[in-house]
Amino acid sequence: QVQLVESGGGLVKPGGSLRLSCAASGFTFSDYYMSWIRQAPGKGLEWVSYISSRTGYTNYADSVKGRFTISRDNAKNSLYLQMNSLRAEDTAVYYCARDRGTCAVDYWGQGTLVTVSS
Amino acid sequence: QSALTQPASVSGSPGQSITISCTGTSSDVGGYNYVSWYQQHPGKAPKLMIYDVSDRPSGVSNRFSGSKSGNTASLTISGLQAEDEADYYCSSYTSSSTYVFGTGTRVTVL
Repeated sequence: QVQLVESGGGLVKPGGSLRLSCAASGFTFSDYYMSWIRQAPGKGLEWVSYISSRTGYTNYADSVKGRFTISRDNAKNSLYLQMNSLRAEDTAVYYCARDRGTCAVDYWGQGTLVTVSS
Repeated sequence: QSALTQPASVSGSPGQSITISCTGTSSDVGGYNYVSWYQQHPGKAPKLMIYDVSDRPSGVSNRFSGSKSGNTASLTISGLQAEDEADYYCSSYTSSSTYVFGTGTRVTVL
């Protein structure tokens, strides 16, 4: 069955960096777009970024553009999110998700909490 | 990119039907047949309920249906059940090739 397991979350100071990872299994990873989606405590969902299946085309929400970088390693069935210049408003649970490429995210990980605080 | 507009809350009695709206613009909801709906129970990851406006993933009850008219998409839950009580979010593809989520709707089963 499809499994997505995030890691790398934690507490970081404003201005700091963090790298999230997502290990995928149960499907042909290289066939799918992948997305990162976040949810601030008590708030709604916010799409962060996606990466295409083979060409590696990427796109970002305006709120993270220039600070976050999404990448993937199809040989390792892994997705990453490099987060730099972190701000308090980046505090959220970050979900790794399988993406059909048409804004249809059909499998989600359990999420990893990122807290940005001094 | 502004969030799509959803009502904050919708409620209904067991067995009734309810509809949740999701209003965007011609640059997102109105411009593409790429609207999805998600259900999220407290403390859980979201679950895809509807994609491409009206398609249901395998395993999702046919009590859930989606539609779109102009810049507004809708999710209808028929035969409301206690387990349907959750938060619901719409999302859409946009003209910038990004995605945007709705503000979210809390569904309460009375």
